[in-house]
Amino acid sequence: EVQLVESGGGLVQPGGSLRLSCAASGFTFSSYWMSWVRQAPGKGLEWVANIKQDGSEKYYVDSVKGRFTISRDNAKNSLYLQMNSLRAEDTAVYYCARDNRISRYYSYYYYMDVWGKGTTVTVSS
Amino acid sequence: EIVLTQSPGTLSLSPGERATLSCRASQSVSSSYLAWYQQRPGQAPRLLIYGASSRATGIPDRFSGSGSGTDFTLTISRLEPEDFAVYYCQQYGSSPMYTFGQGTKLEIK
Repeated sequence: EVQLVESGGGLVQPGGSLRLSCAASGFTFSSYWMSWVRQAPGKGLEWVANIKQDGSEKYYVDSVKGRFTISRDNAKNSLYLQMNSLRAEDTAVYYCARDNRISRYYSYYYYMDVWGKGTTVTVSS
Repeated sequence: EIVLTQSPGTLSLSPGERATLSCRASQSVSSSYLAWYQQRPGQAPRLLIYGASSRATGIPDRFSGSGSGTDFTLTISRLEPEDFAVYYCQQYGSSPMYTFGQGTKLEIK
């Protein structure tokens, strides 16, 4: 079964740090881009960051640049998100998602086809 | 940055009815870059449609997507009780790499 399981969420004070993990199973993890997507309480979805198969390319939404770092360990089938200098506005459920890209009929298709259940991060004093 | 605007914000319909959800982009988007997701309460998002019109694996054929350029539509032909949820469109771009619409809540009338 294709599965993603996030962990590492919790309550942290403003300015603190947290490291999220995502364990992948049921597919060849090293063959896929991976993304983190978050959802603040009662709000919509926001893409946070993604990483190429070999870790050589990483991209971030502006609001987390310089504070968050995405990484992966293909030997452990794991994705990570190191979050530093956390702010109240980072409070959200963080989802790990498989960031799929396929080529078909001379076009590239981009979509997130596998999602974890999420881990909750609360930034509060 | 391309902004996706979904309408209506809330759609109230009865089971068996047809639902039409709209996603409008602030600039033209390649159809292959446009996806739709469903999120039921307390659950993770689920991919429904990619490439504007291709159903994801296991998605019932009552779900269909259409559109091009700046206007895209998700249609649910005959609503089932499990279809009442929030729906998001998403596009792949440059910076940020992905953006989502604000969502349409489909509720039971």
